[in-house]
Amino acid sequence: AQTVTQSQPEMSVQEAETVTLSCTYDTSESDYYLFWYKQPPSRQMILVIRQEAYKQQNATENRFSVNFQKAAKSFSLKISDSQLGDAAMYFCAYRSAPSGGYQKVTFGTGTKLQVIP
Amino acid sequence: DSGVTQTPKHLITATGQRVTLRCSPRSGDLSVYWYQQSLDQGLQFLIQYYNGEERAKGNILERFSAQQFPDLHSELNLSSLELGDSALYFCASSVGGGMSYEQYFGPGTRLTVT
Repeated sequence: AQTVTQSQPEMSVQEAETVTLSCTYDTSESDYYLFWYKQPPSRQMILVIRQEAYKQQNATENRFSVNFQKAAKSFSLKISDSQLGDAAMYFCAYRSAPSGGYQKVTFGTGTKLQVIP
Repeated sequence: DSGVTQTPKHLITATGQRVTLRCSPRSGDLSVYWYQQSLDQGLQFLIQYYNGEERAKGNILERFSAQQFPDLHSELNLSSLELGDSALYFCASSVGGGMSYEQYFGPGTRLTVT
């Protein structure tokens, strides 16, 4: 079974600084997608960034970028120039669709990010 | 605003009861997903429908069922409720049913079982 591990329950970062949230996963499949979601206190789930496993190039969305290491099964999120609005829970998610089988979705346990003014 | 609507926002009910949660996907989206977020289990995928047909099943209990109607809205039915079913239930929608499609989440329904 696929597992997603976020080993940092809580992180903090100074405003305008850079922080990296870690995520590792375990899978035997070769084709899958990885996502980072943000959940602010409002509880709304917001997609931050996604990465296709077959793409070697790391995904980037403005201040958010990932370091995708397929062989190491690692998918970390880097937030640059942290802003107060970045404070939230961040979830790493894995999604795959084995040939002929059901789509599978697995979330990590989340990392709570605090941004210090 | 993601364009996905969920009703009700909050629901309080007693153990043993049955409730129905409703989700309307974004205009044009054919696929609906249901997720449960609880303190004990974290975020779990329950079930997916695509254009009225069940497409994928996750950790959904037998006491729970869902369906997607011809107008593409979906309902999640929870029966014989237990205290442990207290959670935030999210609905998400996407244009297609495959894993590559971006999912847009609704605001969730907070269920409290007393």
